[in-house]
Amino acid sequence: DAGITQSPRHKVTETGTPVTLRCHQTENHRYMYWYRQDPGHGLRLIHYSYGVKDTDKGEVSDGYSVSRSKTEDFLLTLESATSSQTSVYFCAIRGTSGGPEQYFGPGTRLTVT
Amino acid sequence: KQEVTQIPAALSVPEGENLVLNCSFTDSAIYNLQWFRQDPGKGLTSLLLIQSSQREQTSGRLNASLDKSSGRSTLYIAASQPGDSATYLCAVGGGSYDKVIFGPGTSLSVIP
Repeated sequence: DAGITQSPRHKVTETGTPVTLRCHQTENHRYMYWYRQDPGHGLRLIHYSYGVKDTDKGEVSDGYSVSRSKTEDFLLTLESATSSQTSVYFCAIRGTSGGPEQYFGPGTRLTVT
Repeated sequence: KQEVTQIPAALSVPEGENLVLNCSFTDSAIYNLQWFRQDPGKGLTSLLLIQSSQREQTSGRLNASLDKSSGRSTLYIAASQPGDSATYLCAVGGGSYDKVIFGPGTSLSVIP
């Protein structure tokens, strides 16, 4: 258990509304990641962070922004949600011992109607 | 661009059988390869990680091998059990900040 929690775990929202998902970790890991998982596309990286206030884009970053003002929290924001952003979102951290293994949170199921 | 594939997409086996799951990647310049398990509606659980300098890793009934030159990894599960039923994903790590590329997964069903 890498001490990763995600909130909310489920959310239904309407098209055009802003949504923020939170990833919280308790073990001071430097690297954090946001993925989305969709049938037929698998897991795809949205954004990642390599330290406080240090973030970069992944392969499917359009329509998403992130912030990391504290080591323990990595926020994913959908500025104006669209139906194509209906997905399961996973947060991950890297390395419980400084190694490259990634560990995942339980996921957030987001539905945009 | 790295692409990762997994064959078969789904597999059903009787309990007790030994089985092999396959993962292929197009760019052999990888740093590591990780195997995950995902139960329905759940997150991913890390099973094994093989560094690029390693050939295999073992954990209990699981053995993962890596052949970088051919762009392949296999996950061997010995004496399968119904509790092994899940989707198994491989993920290839390479480049900066350990960004990984995931395969689509193999859905395994072990029949009692």
